[in-house]
Amino acid sequence: EAGVAQSPRYKIIEKRQSVAFWCNPISGHATLYWYQQILGQGPKLLIQFQNNGVVDDSQLPKDRFSAERLKGVDSTLKIQPAKLEDSAVYLCASSLSASGGAYNEQFFGPGTRLTVL
Amino acid sequence: AQSVTQLDSHVSVSEGTPVLLRCNYSSSYSPSLFWYVQHPNKGLQLLLKYTSAATLVKGINGFEAEFKKSETSFHLTKPSAHMSDAAEYFCVVGPRAAGNKLTFGGGTRVLVKP
Repeated sequence: EAGVAQSPRYKIIEKRQSVAFWCNPISGHATLYWYQQILGQGPKLLIQFQNNGVVDDSQLPKDRFSAERLKGVDSTLKIQPAKLEDSAVYLCASSLSASGGAYNEQFFGPGTRLTVL
Repeated sequence: AQSVTQLDSHVSVSEGTPVLLRCNYSSSYSPSLFWYVQHPNKGLQLLLKYTSAATLVKGINGFEAEFKKSETSFHLTKPSAHMSDAAEYFCVVGPRAAGNKLTFGGGTRVLVKP
């Protein structure tokens, strides 16, 4: 079974530039998550989608970050304009569903390492 | 609200000796608890999870963890470390029911010496 795919794996940009990351979840997974992992810290949830709707974006800096999952499958996370403090690994994860009773395991992609100079 | 504290940012062990990674949690409801491992340049992998059944949970690669409600702890152990265990480990707290929102600890980096 193919895992969660992310691209690019690495990206270096200068501050105030824009950048976009792409994620393709495991086939059939309704829920998709974007996390930000700053060096030396655990991942922090930025946004959660259930199909093509946003479930939780409470920690997404909406003045510069945006994300979409238009067809309920793959997703794009964008930063515009980037700041130095946005340097981090951006992880995408997917799960069968976040609704209903039971917990469904989240499967993580390899991440995109962003460096902002 | 929920939070998790990993008591050691770095742990160094010799190959073949026991590993102990400590984790304390805080949750306003009965939580689910997880341990994830992250190898360099790899995605996070689930080691084990506690939802509501047995308090001693066995995971992959010989790891296990014990849920202790009275101590609000969920420490991860392995009897004998292997070189391949060198990685970063995250203790994670989440809801038992719908929502799937996970809160990660700060991580413990494990170094295994030959």
